[in-house]
Amino acid sequence: GAGVSQSPSNKVTEKGKDVELRCDPISGHTALYWYRQSLGQGLEFLIYFQGNSAPDKSGLPSDRFSAERTGGSVSTLTIQRTQQEDSAVYLCASSLGGQGRAFFGQGTRLTVV
Amino acid sequence: AQSVTQLGSHVSVSEGALVLLRCNYSSSVPPYLFWYVQYPNQGLQLLLKYTTGATLVKGINGFEAEFKKSETSFHLTKPSAHMSDAAEYFCAVSAGGSARQLTFGSGTQLTVLP
Repeated sequence: GAGVSQSPSNKVTEKGKDVELRCDPISGHTALYWYRQSLGQGLEFLIYFQGNSAPDKSGLPSDRFSAERTGGSVSTLTIQRTQQEDSAVYLCASSLGGQGRAFFGQGTRLTVV
Repeated sequence: AQSVTQLGSHVSVSEGALVLLRCNYSSSVPPYLFWYVQYPNQGLQLLLKYTTGATLVKGINGFEAEFKKSETSFHLTKPSAHMSDAAEYFCAVSAGGSARQLTFGSGTQLTVLP
């Protein structure tokens, strides 16, 4: 596609429910990243994919968070048993290789009520 | 280890006035430095970046930033603010130039007053 696409753009969920956030990177970009932007805080790195493997998961805040990437393309970030502190904007980015410029999606605004 | 500090979570300027958004970094290796802008309901866009070479970097929309190693700073400036510049601006540092190593500041919300 022309840019990084994320869906849904907004998600409201009840505490304790599971959510899935989707990212479609730019076609041909092998590297994919997930970031989180919490209210009043900066962006924090969550996880990095090179192809389908995730060599760096160091930013995932707890074992309730997981992500996968299939076919070297679409990625899904899953949050299980959501908590209110999970409320944030989740941003996905992709780049052509690990050293390339990162292009960001519009983000998914998650609200846990 | 690396970190970024953006001074001022909110900055207001009048239309036509100078824009100055401050960013200080720390990095154990020569840094790559970035400014990103986020307009409402949009993703981050790269404004400009410094890797090596000339310390004054020009970006899109009339913005520029100067890398000052002695001050560990990478402040963003624009001579004359426009209403369309109202957005949130993020400074970021990467030790190795890779997006997975990007560390972002907490952001500065720029308001442009008529």
